[in-house]
Amino acid sequence: QVQLQESGPGLVKPSQTLSLTCSVSGGSISGGDYYWNWIRQNPGKGLEWIGYIYYSGSTYYNPSIKSRVSMSVDTSKNQFSLMLSSATAADTAVYYCARGFTIRGVIALDYWGQGTLVTVSS
Amino acid sequence: QSVLTQPPSVSGAPGQRVTISCTGSSSDIGAGYDVHWYQQLPGTAPTLLIYGHTNRPSGVPDRFSGSTSGTSASLAITGLQAEDEADYYCQSYDSNLSVVFGGGTKLTVL
Repeated sequence: QVQLQESGPGLVKPSQTLSLTCSVSGGSISGGDYYWNWIRQNPGKGLEWIGYIYYSGSTYYNPSIKSRVSMSVDTSKNQFSLMLSSATAADTAVYYCARGFTIRGVIALDYWGQGTLVTVSS
Repeated sequence: QSVLTQPPSVSGAPGQRVTISCTGSSSDIGAGYDVHWYQQLPGTAPTLLIYGHTNRPSGVPDRFSGSTSGTSASLAITGLQAEDEADYYCQSYDSNLSVVFGGGTKLTVL
């Protein structure tokens, strides 16, 4: 059973970089044709996809926040990471990591982490 | 504002059938992109409920079914149970080949 676990600071100051790591267990991040995603959910709101990274390091980001997003993968540690620069209060959200597989080219997210709340505040 | 439009809320009594719509456009669902559905129980992470329009992952009861026609998709839940009370999200792709979600629908079991 694949499991994902987010980790990182729960509090980030405005204008700083929000950094999170997702640790994957129960399966290799470089095994199989999977995409490793970040999704966030503002308090009381809906889901927003941030982007994905493939085990090879190739990435695809949501155009709406692409200029501030960077993702990386460490296959030796079976982890992938999110960095969101110039954080503002609008970035306060529960951040989820999730595994994605494609069906007819469209990613479906079959395993999710429990989520971690990140608050952007001074 | 979400690319995919869902009703904010739906409700039904135990045992009834409810449907949740997900309306898109010719740039997303209408372009032929598959639709997936997620269930988010209160205080938990979303879980995959339906993928590829109609397929259920292992463990999902057959009370849940999905369909797609034209620029819209629907999730149907039959034999409504109290444990089905949750938020439901549809998901597909847009013209940028980005993952897009519906705004979510809160299901209340009366």
